[in-house]
Parts: sequence; C-alpha cells; structure tokens
Amino acid sequence: QVQLVQSGAEVKKPGASVKVSCKASGYTFTKYGISWVRQAPGQGLEWMGWISGHDRYTKYAQKFQGRVSVTSDISTTTVYMDLRSLRSDDTAVYYCARGSGMYFYHYMDVWGKGTTVTVSS
Amino acid sequence: EIVMTQSPATLSVSPGERATLSCRASQSINSNLAWYQQKPGQAPRLIINDTSTRVTGIPARFSGSGSGTEFTLTISSLQSEDFAVYYCQQYSNWPTFGGGTKVEIK
Repeated sequence: QVQLVQSGAEVKKPGASVKVSCKASGYTFTKYGISWVRQAPGQGLEWMGWISGHDRYTKYAQKFQGRVSVTSDISTTTVYMDLRSLRSDDTAVYYCARGSGMYFYHYMDVWGKGTTVTVSS
Repeated sequence: EIVMTQSPATLSVSPGERATLSCRASQSINSNLAWYQQKPGQAPRLIINDTSTRVTGIPARFSGSGSGTEFTLTISSLQSEDFAVYYCQQYSNWPTFGGGTKVEIK
C-alpha cells in the first residue's frame, strides 16, 4: 500500500535548522510530487513547498522562500525538508503528502503521520 | 495567492442530522477543489477531489458541489466518526487551504 513514513520528533533551539525526512513506498516514486504542509498547535494547514518526483524541480511558498529547501533521493525514495533559522513560531507538526500527480497544481492524496518540531530555548 | 474562506468556523450538529460546510475562493478556481477530514492527533485525510469526486472508501453520505468560487461539502446524516475538522484546498494555483470547519456534537 502507498505509505509515507516520516522521521521522529525534533526539539531545536531558535536559530538552528531541522531536517525532516519522508520515506515513500508502494508506488512509482517518479510519477508523483511530494508537498510539505505544516500545522501549528491548534491552527490550520499551511502549504510550504513541493518537489517533483521525476526531475526534482521545486516550488516554495513565498513565506518560506530562502529558509526552506526540499530535496529528494530517488535511489531511496526519500524526500527531505530542511528549515533554517528556526523561530518559536515554527513549532508545528510537519506533514509530507503525496501530490495527485507529477504536476505542481495538485491535491494531496496520501499523507505521512507528521513530525512534531518544537523550537524552544 | 488565492484565499480560501470556510464557514462556519464551528458547526454543532446532532448525530443523524445533515451538515453543510461552505468554502469560498477569492477568485475562480474552476472545479479544482479538495476536501480533507482531520481528527485529533491524526493527519488530514483526503475525502473529495475535483469538487465532487469521493475518494475510494468514503461513504456516500459525503458529497461535494459547487464551481467557480463557491463550494459546499454536505454530510447527509452525521455519524459519530464524522465529527472532525474539515479543510478545503484549492489547486487551481499555488495550493492554499481554508481555515477549517470544526463539526462538533450538539
């Protein structure tokens, strides 16, 4: 079955970076993109960025431009989200989600369970 | 950026009753709208895409309608497992989500 397995919870200090992984299985990796979506405590969903499955082309929400990088390793079907210069308001659950196809304009049909990132001094 | 606005923020409904959730886009998104259900402590789950296409396994009591800028998710007869937060998301442009509607037990 299609699965996205994310790495474990992280606790970081302000100014640090965090790298969250998302291991995909059960489908042809190159035929679908992967998005990252975050959810602050008690808040809604916020799209952060996307990577193409076949050519690793990326797009990022303007809010996170320059601070986020999404990369992938096709050999291990793993996608990574790197967020830098962390602030307390980056405390959130970070989800990876499979896009509905290989193109950027997509809905998200399979989600990982989420990775809690806590930013605290 | 296309802004998605959901209403109401909270909907109190008795089991067995009908729930109607609204989602409005700041500009036309054609039929490029999805709905997600999220229960506490869980990831969101896609329930409807392309405005009205139910995902495999989603009960027929869930239906979506609309086009352009106005969309509706209807749950015809609420079951206990339907109490959750529902989000709409447009994919006509860069993805954006609505703020969510919490469906709670009346």
